Amino acid sequence: DQQVKQNSPSLSVQEGRISILNCDYTNSMFDYFLWYKKYPAEGPTFLISISSIKDKNEDGRFTVFLNKSAKHLSLHIVPSQPGDSAVYFCAATIAGNMLTFGGGTRLMVKP
Amino acid sequence: GAGVSQSPSNKVTEKGKDVELRCDPISGHTALYWYRQRLGQGLEFLIYFQGNSAPDKSGLPSDRFSAERTGESVSTLTIQRTQQEDSAVYLCASGPTHEQYFGPGTRLTVT
Repeated sequence: DQQVKQNSPSLSVQEGRISILNCDYTNSMFDYFLWYKKYPAEGPTFLISISSIKDKNEDGRFTVFLNKSAKHLSLHIVPSQPGDSAVYFCAATIAGNMLTFGGGTRLMVKP
Repeated sequence: GAGVSQSPSNKVTEKGKDVELRCDPISGHTALYWYRQRLGQGLEFLIYFQGNSAPDKSGLPSDRFSAERTGESVSTLTIQRTQQEDSAVYLCASGPTHEQYFGPGTRLTVT
């Protein structure tokens, strides 16, 4: 039973355009959501997070949107840069306990 | 500042041997987590330490796996009688709460 799902295994975007990465979850008890970026042979790097009491959080080029009624969150990267090419994982947690990860989306930003 | 460090970065072992993986969390982080990622799969939670509370071991796949943490410092993950299916990247993360910061991982190969 996958509680966190990323239905798009890959996404290709032109440099300068917006990248939108999506994530769905099933457990309504999740109270905190996070996005990580992962390069090959490295650990995941924390990008941005959002509490379930908010619907938007912004940090520079990265914005996370949360739609609790739809159990859906998304990560927007604007403008996309070639260095953003990586695998992006969404994750969710209950009360700061272990993270439940989605399967990841590979983002490719073309110059 | 210093991030989460893990050692060794790579470990090749023969089936049936015991291995010990080490994690040094970010100073001051009360929570420490172990995850693993097997080839082609997502990140799986293994175990979670929070302060002096009893660890959450719910993710450990078998009794061959154990972990210890000294106070709010170093943690070691031990795998006894390794099997080929234990081959994976073992990731450690630490955090103050909610947000988790990952180390570079230990790549374990069981031959």
